[in-house]
Amino acid sequence: GDSVTQMEGPVTLSEEAFLTINCTYTATGYPSLFWYVQYPGEGLQLLLKATKADDKGSNKGFEATYRKETTSFHLEKGSVQVSDSAVYFCALSDLGAAGNKLTFGGGTRVLVKP
Amino acid sequence: GAGVSQSPSNKVTEKGKDVELRCDPISGHTALYWYRQSLGQGLEFLIYFQGNSAPDKSGLPSDRFSAERTGGSVSTLTIQRTQQEDSAVYLCASTEGANTGELFFGEGSRLTVL
Repeated sequence: GDSVTQMEGPVTLSEEAFLTINCTYTATGYPSLFWYVQYPGEGLQLLLKATKADDKGSNKGFEATYRKETTSFHLEKGSVQVSDSAVYFCALSDLGAAGNKLTFGGGTRVLVKP
Repeated sequence: GAGVSQSPSNKVTEKGKDVELRCDPISGHTALYWYRQSLGQGLEFLIYFQGNSAPDKSGLPSDRFSAERTGGSVSTLTIQRTQQEDSAVYLCASTEGANTGELFFGEGSRLTVL
């Protein structure tokens, strides 16, 4: 079945540091790929997405490129802020299946220190 | 309301008791999903509703778990004869159509089984 693997946290960074969170996936079809973020005390929300190979999703300074050849969707941000402290989840959706069931990775907690 | 609403936000129960968790999706959203987030784990899919029907129940862990949705809106997840391993955060999400790619999550119901 489909699966998503992402690097374990926690990841602790200083403000303005470069952030990378690795994500790789296994899927039988041609999934869409997502990054969701969960800020402290809030529900998960979509950060960015890419629906086909070589697409780049971007939002709030974060970027991720859909790499079919390496089955990866790594999340990057060039200069993090304290407000980026959150748990980040990589996910895939095989839109050929019934509904829009997302398969999530285990989440990566990021802590940005001032 | 503007977002997905879940209740109760916290529930502590004794082993063997039944619990009901409620989800009120965003108005007009036809698709509704239940996920479970256990400590240190990723998000585990439980069930998907399109309208009032549940075409995908594949994630329900046992027959102690059931869910229903009435009027194409509110959904209730019921766990009978709770066990300690049921302790988790139960998340509900909704989306406008079956294949839009973005799920809108509630803040979750934290269940603790003593």
